[in-house]
Amino acid sequence: NAGVTQTPKFQVLKTGQSMTLQCAQDMNHEYMSWYRQDPGMGLRLIHYSVGAGITDQGEVPNGYNVSRSTTEDFPLRLLSAAPSQTSVYFCASKGQGNYGYTFGSGTRLTVV
Amino acid sequence: AQRVTQPEKLLSVFKGAPVELKCNYSYSGSPELFWYVQYSRQRLQLLLRHISRESIKGFTADLNKGETSFHLKKPFAQEEDSAMYYCALSGSNDYKLSFGAGTTVTVRA
Repeated sequence: NAGVTQTPKFQVLKTGQSMTLQCAQDMNHEYMSWYRQDPGMGLRLIHYSVGAGITDQGEVPNGYNVSRSTTEDFPLRLLSAAPSQTSVYFCASKGQGNYGYTFGSGTRLTVV
Repeated sequence: AQRVTQPEKLLSVFKGAPVELKCNYSYSGSPELFWYVQYSRQRLQLLLRHISRESIKGFTADLNKGETSFHLKKPFAQEEDSAMYYCALSGSNDYKLSFGAGTTVTVRA
């Protein structure tokens, strides 16, 4: 049982480049979320999904897109990377009735 | 709107001393409160949830609805407790989790 798997672990992008952060879970969880972690700001919700085909915006959605074509996968796309998107990104999933989220190991992204 | 406040960014205690991490929240309905811990460069792990009223690794937390607080306590801190601690909140019928800014705990020998 792998839990929540994020790839890549590290990434350096140039300003203006696009990329996709991958997130997959094997627990058949309905709910999945993407957070960014910045010093002094805690974790802020970017986008979330309550099931396949359903996504919505969180606190800081600008510059990011998501899709949920399957229950297992919830990729996060950076459309045109900016230095302000330098952060650590965490994906998390939660099953219905399960009170706690399970987090992935994170992707450390640097935009230069 | 839901909001979680952790007033202490840094907390330093000596091994064997008590430690208390403060968490205050605002939420109009019935919240569910959690404490997550993140050891150095690792993923976040669920430490406690208020609904289970359990003690994990010697930590306890009591939900005080009158004071809208969910402080985390441990009577005798250990060096392995050094980590970042996040308080988090979700609504009873809500799947969105809101986090505080986090408190970095350092336990000195």
